[in-house]
This record gives sequence, structure tokens and C-alpha cells, in this order.
Amino acid sequence: AQSVTQLDSQVPVFEEAPVELRCNYSSSVSVYLFWYVQYPNQGLQLLLKYLSGSTLVESINGFEAEFNKSQTSFHLRKPSVHISDTAEYFCAVIPSYSGAGSYQLTFGKGTKLSVIP
Amino acid sequence: AAGVIQSPRHLIKEKRETATLKCYPIPRHDTVYWYQQGPGQDPQFLISFYEKMQSDKGSIPDRFSAQQFSDYHSELNMSSLELGDSALYFCASSLGASNEQFFGPGTRLTVL
Repeated sequence: AQSVTQLDSQVPVFEEAPVELRCNYSSSVSVYLFWYVQYPNQGLQLLLKYLSGSTLVESINGFEAEFNKSQTSFHLRKPSVHISDTAEYFCAVIPSYSGAGSYQLTFGKGTKLSVIP
Repeated sequence: AAGVIQSPRHLIKEKRETATLKCYPIPRHDTVYWYQQGPGQDPQFLISFYEKMQSDKGSIPDRFSAQQFSDYHSELNMSSLELGDSALYFCASSLGASNEQFFGPGTRLTVL
């Protein structure tokens, strides 16, 4: 079984300041890792993912996340946030091979990012 | 590009009524997943189907059932609705299991 811990439920940050949203996971098998973003009253949108290869992954809107296997972390960062980044961010994991017998994404509790003008 | 389609987008039901939610996956996707997101909660996995067979089961109540049809669309049937069933229900699809899941916009169910 997998579990995901998002250490901060709410993160307020001033516009143009940097931000880090923390995510740690626990799993007995290797996993793929994802960050999803949910804007108010909307669905889940994939922000970025780590499947294999380079441990640093980037999104098209300036976010990046680094997979750290030894620390079982996948923290999300952005060097300068914008008002439009205000949303809830979910970290999620899934076993990396179908033979694990589980196909479900396991989500963290979410972090609400509030960007202050 | 085509996305996952869910219908209806909003649904209001009374307690003890039944509801059917529909999900149309991205073309050629053969795997469908259902998640439930209660108010202020993270999404919880309910059930998934691969090639029309149930592939995994999560915290789905016995009052709920689901199936995947020959055209790969899926329906989530919910009976004896309770107030606690009020939530956002997401469907996601993927090509093959244990792969990147693409989420639909969700169906917001309100039970009065």
C-alpha cells in the first residue's frame, strides 16, 4: 500500500515570491509520482509527473518538482508565483508496474496555495 | 484533443433515491477509474475497470455499483443515497493500467 503526506495544508505567499509545497510518500514498491492542481470548483489537472529518467521535472507554467528517492520526497517549487497560481495542489502516487495489483492513485490531503497581491 | 467526458455535471437527489453517473473515456483508452472527493477532502479511489473487467476496488460502498461497457464508457450506479454521498465524483481514463490517468471535470452530486 502507498501513502502520501503533504506537510502543509495551507501556504500563503506574496506574489512574485518563491514557494515550495512539500510531499513525502511511503511505498513498498516503486512508484510514479504526480502533482495535480485543482482550481476552485474545477476538476483535477495534471501539473507534472515523474515516471523515470531525470529526477527534476518541469511544467509549462514554471513549476518544477524533484524526485528524491532516498528521502522519498517529491516537493513542488516555483521561483516566482502569480495570482493565478492560487489553487489547491495534490501530490499523488501510483505503483509503477501493473503487476503490483493496484491501479489506484493515492492522493495526499492537498495544499491550498494562496497568493497574496 | 478529446478529453474525458462526464455527465451530468451537476446532480441533485433526495435521500434514498438512486443516481447514475456516466463517464466517456478519451478515445482508445481502455481503463477507467472512479474517485470520490468529499467537501474539503482529497480524492478517494472507488473502483477501476480494464478492458471491461473490474481491475481494482477501493472504498466503494456496497450501495454503489459500476460497470464498463463494450464502447469503454463506464457508469457508476448509486442507490439508497445518503447525505454523506454528496461529493464531487471524478472519472479518469488511461491507456493500459498503472499509467498516467486523465481526469474528467467531475460530477457534483448533492443529496438533500
